Amino acid sequence: AQKITQTQPGMFVQEKEAVTLDCTYDTSDPSYGLFWYKQPSSGEMIFLIYQGSYDQQNATEGRYSLNFQKARKSANLVISASQLGDSAMYFCAMRLSLGRGGKLIFGQGTELSVKP
Amino acid sequence: GAVVSQHPSRVICKSGTSVKIECRSLDFQATTMFWYRQFPKKSLMLMATSNEGSKATYEQGVEKDKFLINHASLTLSTLTVTSAHPEDSSFYICSARDQGGQGAIQPQHFGDGTRLSIL
Repeated sequence: AQKITQTQPGMFVQEKEAVTLDCTYDTSDPSYGLFWYKQPSSGEMIFLIYQGSYDQQNATEGRYSLNFQKARKSANLVISASQLGDSAMYFCAMRLSLGRGGKLIFGQGTELSVKP
Repeated sequence: GAVVSQHPSRVICKSGTSVKIECRSLDFQATTMFWYRQFPKKSLMLMATSNEGSKATYEQGVEKDKFLINHASLTLSTLTVTSAHPEDSSFYICSARDQGGQGAIQPQHFGDGTRLSIL
């Protein structure tokens, strides 16, 4: 069965410091995509970063980088130089099928609080 | 970039009322849309996959007669919560993926969600 696990219900980080949000996944499918989304208190889901299972290099998008360790089945999100506006829920997600109907499965989420 | 519009953003209604939520892809075509339900501080739970021109595919445990889904065009899917009761109160979010391009690379775009409160 496919599964996404985020073991940190809540995290605190000091402003301007880096923080790592953990995500592990389980699948026997060789083709999959891993995503991170940010959800502020207003509710909208904001796409942050994507990593494909066949990608050789770790994905980076501005202050976001994905530490992809395929053998460990982990896809941790690293946020550098945290800002107060980074306070939000963060969800790791996986999609298995390369087909157009592939479902996106979410982890439990991590609530990040950035302290001034 | 691609935008998904969801309407209404908030609904408060009496028990027994049916509520319709619309999800539109504004600048791309989506043969497939997804409906999620979310409780406070919890994850998004996939309810169903909406397929244009055919029946929706419901996840295990989701009552299809309770949550009616219609995907009549390539840009519109609707979720109707029939005879809503207080336990149906939740945050409902739709999502769509731009079909132009390869499968897994395309991120899913989300609507802003609908907060449903049944009194």
